[in-house]
Formats: sequence, C-alpha cells, structure tokens
Amino acid sequence: QSVLTQPPSASGTPGQRVTISCSGNSSNTGRYNVFWYQQLPGTAPKLLIYRNNQRPSGVPDRFSGSKSGTSASLTISGLRSEDEADYYCAAWDDSLSGVVFGGGTKLTV
Amino acid sequence: QVQLHQSGPGLVKPSQTLSLTCAISGDSVSSNSVDWNWIRQSPSRGLEWLGRTYYRSKWYDDYALSVKSRITINPDTSKNQFSLLLNSVTPEDTAVYYCARSGSDKGFDPWGQGTLVTVSS
Repeated sequence: QSVLTQPPSASGTPGQRVTISCSGNSSNTGRYNVFWYQQLPGTAPKLLIYRNNQRPSGVPDRFSGSKSGTSASLTISGLRSEDEADYYCAAWDDSLSGVVFGGGTKLTV
Repeated sequence: QVQLHQSGPGLVKPSQTLSLTCAISGDSVSSNSVDWNWIRQSPSRGLEWLGRTYYRSKWYDDYALSVKSRITINPDTSKNQFSLLLNSVTPEDTAVYYCARSGSDKGFDPWGQGTLVTVSS
C-alpha cells in the first residue's frame, strides 16, 4: 500500500481534459513539494511536474499541476493518444525520512 | 545533457548481494547541488525510493527505512559513477532498479534505463 493515494485508473477521449489526484498527509504533501512522473510502457519514469506546478523544459503546457493542503492534482488538457501512460506523484515524507510515491494512475485515452 | 547508464547482473541468488552501478555523463558525482539516487519498481511494492548519496563539502547518504540495514550507496569519483549494494536479498527484492539524479527540489531527472534484477536460486 502506497503512502500517497492515487486513483488506480483514469480515462478520457482525445481533446478532453482529465485530472488525476494525489492525496497525502501533513508529513508529506502537506509540507513538501509534489512531483509528477509519466511512465510510458516499458520505459523509465520521466519528470513531468516539479515543485507542485513547474514544468521542465520540453514538457508541453497541456500538463499542469496544483496543490492545496495535503492534496495535489495533475491536469492534462487536450488529451492525446500518446498521453496513455502511468502517472505517479511523489513527495518527501518526514515520518519515513525519504521520498514516497503514489501507487500510480493508469490513464487510458 | 545528463545521461545515466546502469550496469550489473540481472540475476542474484537469495542471501547474496545485489550490486548495480550507474555511470554519469554530463554531470559530476561530486557536484555540490545534486543528489544521486536509487529507486526500484515492482508490481507488489510500486515505486520505492531506496536511498541517495550526495556531496556537500563532504559525502552524505540517506536510506529508506525499509532497507536501511541492508543497503549501501557509494560514490566513485575516479569513474564518475555511483553504486548500489543491497545485501541478504530475498525474492521480495526482485524489481526493476533505476538510478536517478535529483537536487534543488527539481525532482528525479534524468533516470537510468532500468535494470531488471531477479532474485532466484
């Protein structure tokens, strides 16, 4: 059981907007920045969002992140078939003295 | 452009030591502003951060509580790489292992290509 809670699946049709949630507590998401990773089948995870809402260079602005309290969310606008992947949130956790991940959300387009 | 390349055996016997290496290009293992991490992924445990090594005028390391008694992450400045040693492995340690850079609160980026390690006799 993962420390951060994500829905196991999400879906949408091309062009739609989809939001994936990530819930933690005061030891992790409530205190520290949240990060989002995209993992395409058979590949290593790739950084999508850092510091809650910042996009690394090269990540399309269709991807956006937000955080409020102990919850964070990743929103993908203008959904495309190539967005079909697993998405993970992560944050530092004081109680565990380490980085913790969500269980991942499988997005179907 | 920073790249990480992993190497090491894909099969380890129970009770033995898992050993992987991550070679760094485009950055330095001795950089004062980044950390060098190991992360694993398995169907049963999901993504699990294992630990990191980093240099801030001297070397430091942090390890996940779940593996703290069995893990060592070592930097190798002569080869600009870092390694993972996980001893007393069991089948529960079967996973894809990744190395990754982090720092300045910018997340894990980039990641190595991943190494599937199977613990089996």
